[in-house]
Amino acid sequence: DIQMTQSPSFLSASVGERVTLSCKASQNINKYLDWYQQKLGEAPKLLIYNTNNLHTGIPSRFSGSGSGTDYTLTISSLQPEDVATYFCLQRNSWPFTFGSGTKLEIK
Amino acid sequence: QVQLKETGPGLVQPTQTLSITCTISGFSLTSYYMQWVRQTPGKGLEWMGFIRSGGSTEYNSEFKSRLSISRDTSKNQVFLKMNSLKTEDTGVYYCARGGPGIPFAYWGQGTLVTVSS
Repeated sequence: DIQMTQSPSFLSASVGERVTLSCKASQNINKYLDWYQQKLGEAPKLLIYNTNNLHTGIPSRFSGSGSGTDYTLTISSLQPEDVATYFCLQRNSWPFTFGSGTKLEIK
Repeated sequence: QVQLKETGPGLVQPTQTLSITCTISGFSLTSYYMQWVRQTPGKGLEWMGFIRSGGSTEYNSEFKSRLSISRDTSKNQVFLKMNSLKTEDTGVYYCARGGPGIPFAYWGQGTLVTVSS
């Protein structure tokens, strides 16, 4: 199985700050990497799919990049409503696997 | 619009069988794959398996021996059944639409399952 390692586990940042979250796969996942935002008590919400494609309705301050085993989610200017836990998901091969998440808070 | 909603038993006793129904609207089960994902305190988010638009299934080997996914296209419902439940199976179970090559863009609200005697 492909292991997905997210870092950091917890991040505290200020409103307006640029934030970068990392997801590392245990082997090449060919850019089949999605990012989800999960707020407390809600289902995961798709933000980015296939590394760098912004899902419909997602603000342009969210962006994704990466290749091979290393992927990044960037929030260009952190907003209060971005407080959530962020997960990555690899869909390159079964079993699909999620990272353990980065919990993002406002400083 | 696309909607998914899970309904489950809430509380299940250890060793018993879990049955959850995902009722969809706004699209056809014969056009999309349907996924099952769970979120537990011990392991976080786990992909469990999917049923293809054609009706065949794939399972995470972690659950393969005790998991079954099926559907009733006439009722727009997808079913998850998992037997031999343990306390570690306690968590929120989600259905989602997505695959192959299509991300999980639509999710149900999730249903909380507690395994306890």
